[in-house]
Amino acid sequence: DAKTTQPNSMESNEEEPVHLPCNHSTISGTDYIHWYRQLPSQGPEYVIHGLTSNVNNRMASLAIAEDRKSSTLILHRATLRDAAVYYCILSLDNAGNMLTFGGGTRLMVKP
Amino acid sequence: NAGVMQNPRHLVRRRGQEARLRCSPMKGHSHVYWYRQLPEEGLKFMVYLQKENIIDESGMPKERFSAEFPKEGPSILRIQQVVRGDSAAYFCASSPRTGAYEQYFGPGTRLTVT
Repeated sequence: DAKTTQPNSMESNEEEPVHLPCNHSTISGTDYIHWYRQLPSQGPEYVIHGLTSNVNNRMASLAIAEDRKSSTLILHRATLRDAAVYYCILSLDNAGNMLTFGGGTRLMVKP
Repeated sequence: NAGVMQNPRHLVRRRGQEARLRCSPMKGHSHVYWYRQLPEEGLKFMVYLQKENIIDESGMPKERFSAEFPKEGPSILRIQQVVRGDSAAYFCASSPRTGAYEQYFGPGTRLTVT
């Protein structure tokens, strides 16, 4: 199974951009890259997903390397409510039905 | 549109008792997934169900655990003869169809086995 590697934790200042990296050097051609986040004592929340091209939505942007061996989740202006654990996940099957969560990156946002 | 509902939110059971966790997916969603999160760990996939069918249970422990998603009513995750190692947060997620890349998670049920 393709695995991801993320830093354990990162810090950011409020209202500044945040770049959360993820390495997935064993990714296969059909694996989608998903990002979820989990706020304290809550269930995970979908953030964004992509295959090859960069993606944008109202929450974040996803930049995918040309060789697809790494990706970066970009929060354009961090707020205190963005403090959470961010998980970078590769789908175990093409439909993304079974998600395998690793350790994730704990993002701390300082006011 | 109500989100994914799980109940109870907290459940305490003594060793050897049974635990029943319920999950009502979002309206219009017919695909349900169960995940378990042990303390200080990431979520682990357990089982994927559609109405009246188990699609994939590769993450389910072989004994004591079972899941169902009947035609009517919520999905149920059942743990028989609970042990302390079953203490965890159990999350349910739903999606409207296979191939939908976004899963919507419930708030979880925190099971404590004493």
